[in-house]
Amino acid sequence: GQSLEQPSEVTAVEGAIVQINCTYQTSGFYGLSWYQQHDGGAPTFLSYNALDGLEETGRFSSFLSRSDSYGYLLLQELQMKDSASYFCASRISGNTGKLIFGQGTTLQVKP
Amino acid sequence: DADVTQTPRNRITKTGKRIMLECSQTKGHDRMYWYRQDPGLGLRLIYYSFDVKDINKGEISDGYSVSRQAQAKFSLSLESAIPNQTALYFCATSHPTGTGVFDTGELFFGEGSRLTVL
Repeated sequence: GQSLEQPSEVTAVEGAIVQINCTYQTSGFYGLSWYQQHDGGAPTFLSYNALDGLEETGRFSSFLSRSDSYGYLLLQELQMKDSASYFCASRISGNTGKLIFGQGTTLQVKP
Repeated sequence: DADVTQTPRNRITKTGKRIMLECSQTKGHDRMYWYRQDPGLGLRLIYYSFDVKDINKGEISDGYSVSRQAQAKFSLSLESAIPNQTALYFCATSHPTGTGVFDTGELFFGEGSRLTVL
């Protein structure tokens, strides 16, 4: 089977750092993506890791370890607007763009 | 205006009715997708299309059909709706950003169509 596991909920305070983990088990793996979704709205792309290591984009960073089938999204200097659901997604095919999504992590940022 | 537009945004229907969800895009992307979102289950791929003549099943295509009327239009149909098809449906587009693993596969989603089947 194909699955991605991530925590269902995470809570943190404004200004803090939070890490959302994702472990994957998929047949075929090309890379790991992260998406953000506010209140059932359109998910938006945050990052993509094809190679091992850390990718940084402003306050958000994403990490991948292929040998461990593991990745994480790191959010720094948390703001209230970061309260949302975050999904990791495994790209399982090189020429179809097919993604398998995790079930999502709801991040609640408290004042 | 949104780049990926879905209609209707909300629909309540009865078991056995035929329903069509429509998606149009102005991004000029060739690749279009239909996803379904259920609470606690993330997004699951129903169908995808890479051009007008290309239609492919995703993870959960049973009970659904699609039509790619033009590069910009991709419709999802439920021929005979049932209650467990109650969900939030998203259309998405993508365009290759690189080759092989370096194609991010970034998806651009519409705002979603919330369907309730009674």
